[in-house]
Amino acid sequence: NAGVTQTPKFRVLKTGQSMTLLCAQDMNHEYMYWYRQDPGMGLRLIHYSVGEGTTAKGEVPDGYNVSRLKKQNFLLGLESAAPSQTSVYFCASSYGSQPQHFGDGTRLSIL
Amino acid sequence: AQSVTQPDIHITVSEGASLELRCNYSYGATPYLFWYVQSPGQGLQLLLKYFSGDTLVQGIKGFEAEFKRSQSSFNLRKPSVHWSDAAEYFCAVGGVWNTGNQFYFGTGTSLTVIP
Repeated sequence: NAGVTQTPKFRVLKTGQSMTLLCAQDMNHEYMYWYRQDPGMGLRLIHYSVGEGTTAKGEVPDGYNVSRLKKQNFLLGLESAAPSQTSVYFCASSYGSQPQHFGDGTRLSIL
Repeated sequence: AQSVTQPDIHITVSEGASLELRCNYSYGATPYLFWYVQSPGQGLQLLLKYFSGDTLVQGIKGFEAEFKRSQSSFNLRKPSVHWSDAAEYFCAVGGVWNTGNQFYFGTGTSLTVIP
């Protein structure tokens, strides 16, 4: 009963490098979300998806791209990492307006 | 625009004492309301939710919350705090279709429990 799984759990990047964060859910949820969590700022929505093949921008989308090629997966990409993207990233999924299920997070440091 | 305010950044209570965490929201209609808890190094876990009906909702771990429409508030309460309740607590609103299925989170309240 995995729920929402995020990989990797930790990563250190150099400025300008690229990487992809993977989120997988096994609950057949339609909606998936990527958030970043920074001290004193709560969770801020980066991008979200309301179904396979669809994506939409959230509150802080700049510098990130996403893809939802399969219903169970939601990928978050950083094309050219910047120190300002150092954060903890959370993926969540939900069924309609029901509460979200969260992964355990990815701790990303950009040097 | 929708927003959620948690006025208390940090709260310290003694074990066994009662607890109330405040949450105010700004929204054009009655929203769906949630409280989540986050332990260090973990994701967020749902404590309780309010969709409609009885304005006093019960959640897990002995928590409850009361929706007050006139005050645009959804405060979280627990009659007797345990040391294991020390964590970060987030209030959230949204989930309805006309918000684009987005959820809006407060900035969180950190709870410290002292023996």
